[in-house]
Amino acid sequence: DVKVTQSSRYLVKRTGEKVFLECVQDMDHENMFWYRQDPGLGLRLIYFSYDVKMKEKGDIPEGYSVSREKKERFSLILESASTNQTSMYLCASSLPSIGRGNYGYTFGSGTRLTVV
Amino acid sequence: AQSVTQLDSQVPVFEEAPVELRCNYSSSVSVYLFWYVQYPNQGLQLLLKYLSGSTLVKGINGFEAEFNKSQTSFHLRKPSVHISDTAEYFCAVSTYNQGGKLIFGQGTELSVKP
Repeated sequence: DVKVTQSSRYLVKRTGEKVFLECVQDMDHENMFWYRQDPGLGLRLIYFSYDVKMKEKGDIPEGYSVSREKKERFSLILESASTNQTSMYLCASSLPSIGRGNYGYTFGSGTRLTVV
Repeated sequence: AQSVTQLDSQVPVFEEAPVELRCNYSSSVSVYLFWYVQYPNQGLQLLLKYLSGSTLVKGINGFEAEFNKSQTSFHLRKPSVHISDTAEYFCAVSTYNQGGKLIFGQGTELSVKP
């Protein structure tokens, strides 16, 4: 069964800590995405990547960075965690959008991060 | 730029009743449209998608959606819901020039009561 795996379901971190959220996919997908989900706001795009060592900012990149050293792994980094980064973080992957098609995403189960 | 609006944040309904979850989008170019479902403490799962062709799209679990270009809508329907359909539902849009990125709506909580 193909899937996207996020390393932690629940995390509790202290303000100011550097936090790493890991995401691994086994579908050989080129595209990978990080979203955060907050009640009433839906999913907001933080960063995405179309290939190894490539990254692009989404709609809310401030306070975050990413790393993609291998095709299957896309890491989200909170440089100095703050309480307003308490949220559900969702990783997704997809095939490239070829021509006029779009395959949609496969999502991981999410990491619920609490910053205290 | 594209945007998606889900018109209802919460929809309570009784078991075996029909339901419609509303989604409107804004785009200056042709769109691809998606509905995802999120069960409690899980990631999102694809219910159905519209890329082209027939405007009535059937998905998993008995759901269907209709693409209406003139109304810029993509409403999700099910003729008879079950308790197990209780979840949050997200509408999303993408276009050919978005490189596969999806823009999501705010979500609709469907609560099915016995």
